[in-house]
Amino acid sequence: GENVEQHPSTLSVQEGDSAVIKCTYSDSASNYFPWYKQELGKGPQLIIDIRSNVGEKKDQRIAVTLNKTAKHFSLHITETQPEDSAVYFCAALGNMLTFGGGTRLMVKP
Amino acid sequence: GAGVSQSPRYKVAKRGQDVALRCDPISGHVSLFWYQQALGQGPEFLTYFQNEAQLDKSGLPSDRFFAERPEGSVSTLKIQRTQQEDSAVYLCASSLSGGAYGYTFGSGTRLTVV
Repeated sequence: GENVEQHPSTLSVQEGDSAVIKCTYSDSASNYFPWYKQELGKGPQLIIDIRSNVGEKKDQRIAVTLNKTAKHFSLHITETQPEDSAVYFCAALGNMLTFGGGTRLMVKP
Repeated sequence: GAGVSQSPRYKVAKRGQDVALRCDPISGHVSLFWYQQALGQGPEFLTYFQNEAQLDKSGLPSDRFFAERPEGSVSTLKIQRTQQEDSAVYLCASSLSGGAYGYTFGSGTRLTVV
């Protein structure tokens, strides 16, 4: 089955800096890669996704890149704000949605 | 409703007790998924419904776990004879169409087995 690895597990940045989270996947048939933000006591919330027919997608301060050849994809957050602090999960869709282990992002004011 | 609703939010069960967790998906959403999230980890797939049909239950960890969605809307995840390793947050998600695109998650039920 699909295996998704996510790095780093924790990330601390200063407000205004950029944050990058990277994921790799194993199943070359996976074709959909969403990213979720999870705040304490809440369920994961979809923040951006990318399908396998594009290499990059941007939505305001958030961007995702996908390299299908290397089977890795990344989340980029620019101009980080304290409210960006949360746990972020990448996921890959093969037969089912498989999640990475999560990255705890801390944005220091 | 406006979102996916799960109840109860918190459940404490004594080891050996049976529990039932409820999920109310967004009205009209065809697909419904259950995930288990252990502390500090990513969600792990349990089972998937399309309308009332359970199309995939490969993630259910044992035969103590059972899920149903008899009328294609509300779903119940039942765990029999709970054990300590069942302690986790159980997340439900729904999506408008078949498959995983555009999942909306509920806030989950935190189950603690003592």
